[in-house]
Amino acid sequence: DVKVTQSSRYLVKRTGEKVFLECVQDMDHENMFWYRQDPGLGLRLIYFSYDVKMKEKGDIPEGYSVSREKKERFSLILESASTNQTSMYLCASSPAPGGYTFGSGTRLTVV
Amino acid sequence: LAKTTQPISMDSYEGQEVNITCSHNNIATNDYITWYQQFPSQGPRFIIQGYKTKVTNEVASLFIPADRKSSTLSLPRVSLSDTAVYYCLGPSRRALTFGSGTRLQVQP
Repeated sequence: DVKVTQSSRYLVKRTGEKVFLECVQDMDHENMFWYRQDPGLGLRLIYFSYDVKMKEKGDIPEGYSVSREKKERFSLILESASTNQTSMYLCASSPAPGGYTFGSGTRLTVV
Repeated sequence: LAKTTQPISMDSYEGQEVNITCSHNNIATNDYITWYQQFPSQGPRFIIQGYKTKVTNEVASLFIPADRKSSTLSLPRVSLSDTAVYYCLGPSRRALTFGSGTRLQVQP
């Protein structure tokens, strides 16, 4: 089974902190994605990557950046965390468009 | 990008068949339709994917009519554990876009 592992299940950070959310997949997938999920808003795409060192903005990239130095790892960075970034963050990977495998999510609270 | 529309919520009882319909008006000729299921505090899980007519697996069936402007996810004999949010995904050349999904509540 493909596994997508997110480093933390729960995180509490202070406003203004730099936050790193890590995601690792073990099936050599080319594509990796970061979404956030908020009540009533569904999943919204933040950033995605089709290859190492490659990144593309999704629908809500403001306040976020990403890093993909190795194929298996895709990191989401909150440069200066704000309370409106309190959310559930979901990482996914796929070998092609469609057929996504998601991680269990990181519930981030910014206080 | 094909926009999808599906009901916000549905209620059912254990043992019933549930059909969730999704409309996707701008689907391209070679696009597939994909459905995901999400339980609380978990990431979405792939259920089924189809191009046209009918696809069936151990979890669900997917019906897509000839004009492909809609699709129907069919869950046979639902149980309490099928309570979840179900997403019909609009095809995309870039990345999948999830709407708000359909919240299915199965009652005893």
